[in-house]
Parts: sequence; structure tokens; C-alpha cells
Amino acid sequence: SQQGEEDPQALSIQEGENATMNCSYKTSINNLQWYRQNSGRGLVHLILIRSNEREKHSGRLRVTLDTSKKSSSLLITASRAADTASYFCATGGNTPLVFGKGTRLSVIA
Amino acid sequence: DTGVSQDPRHKITKRGQNVTFRCDPISEHNRLYWYRQTLGQGPEFLTYFQNEAQLEKSRLLSDRFSAERPKGSFSTLEIQRTEQGDSAMYLCASSLGGLPEQYFGPGTRLTVT
Repeated sequence: SQQGEEDPQALSIQEGENATMNCSYKTSINNLQWYRQNSGRGLVHLILIRSNEREKHSGRLRVTLDTSKKSSSLLITASRAADTASYFCATGGNTPLVFGKGTRLSVIA
Repeated sequence: DTGVSQDPRHKITKRGQNVTFRCDPISEHNRLYWYRQTLGQGPEFLTYFQNEAQLEKSRLLSDRFSAERPKGSFSTLEIQRTEQGDSAMYLCASSLGGLPEQYFGPGTRLTVT
């Protein structure tokens, strides 16, 4: 079963704009991860945020975590056409991951 | 570091046939996971190994599914008497025990006709 939901399900933006996607989860967590999946391919790990962290940055990525609301957000700044992909949040880690349904991001050049 | 590889990348089979997929994890990774992903959904956990021991199986893993990791290196996932509902992408991932990040292979796309 899916742990939570990403929102929105789909997002279309122009190149150079920022993209924000949200994730909600159901149970207590030790960490939350974000993965990217290009069409029909495997998943690539993007960033991990631990339960005692509120914000984390990696390059053009910014992740926030609000454990009181059981939610996380992923911000991609200055988007590029190559960012077109599906983005999933996942809980678990060191155990089987539980994924949401993902956000499909389209970046239009 | 060659990454996680899976073979075959695509498999088309007729209903009722058996299929077997192979996953080669990153060499030093002792944990290996199998997930299944259907269109428009996130991956769902099937089973995982630590070295050669199968530690957990999902309720999704019916008795037609079996997975092995005989020497703690590569793993195979077999589906017997395939059904159309088995059509999906089968993803393999590996990790170094104790670390949460998982590294995924490209997947095997199964189509049951």
C-alpha cells in the first residue's frame, strides 16, 4: 500500500521557473527521501532529510519536512527541460521503502 | 562501481508461462530489494534480502512468486503461471546495510498477453 500522496499529481512549468511538489505521509518516520524517475526507467535518489531536520539543500533542490503535519515539500529552482520526470517521496530506509504515487513534472523549453 | 543491473529489460510472455528476472546489485551492497510498479503508481515493495537471507515478503508476493539470492550476490525473481495482472515494471534496488539510500536498477518491464 502507498504510504502517502504527492501533490500535485502533475505539474507543467516553463524552463527557468521553480517547481514545488508536496508529499504527505501517514506514520512516524526516521527520514524521508525523494527520488526521480525518468520515463520508463529506474529511480534515482535525490535527497534525504532526517526527522530532526526541517530543511535541506542540495544544488537546485530544497527539501522541507514538517513532522507535526506529516508532510514534506521538494522545491526545484530554475528548472530545466532535463528535470522532466516523475518525483516520488519515500519513507523507510534501512527497511523497504514506501512510496507515494508521485508527481509528474513537465518542464517546457 | 557499475550500478545495479537487471536482465532482461523487457519481457513479453503469454499468460500461464513462467518468467525469471535477474538483478545484480552494487557489489559491496548486502541488501537487495524487489519492487513492482504499475503505470501511474509508485513502486510497491515485494521482498528483500540481507546477504542470502530473505528477511521480509509483502502480501503482494503471492505463492506464484519466488525470489532467491543464493550466494548473497545476484538475485532472481520468478513468476510462475503468469497472469495479465502481473504486467508491470519490476525494479531491483540495493543498499549498504544500515544506510537508508537505495540504488535502483533500470527495471524489467513485463507484459503478459
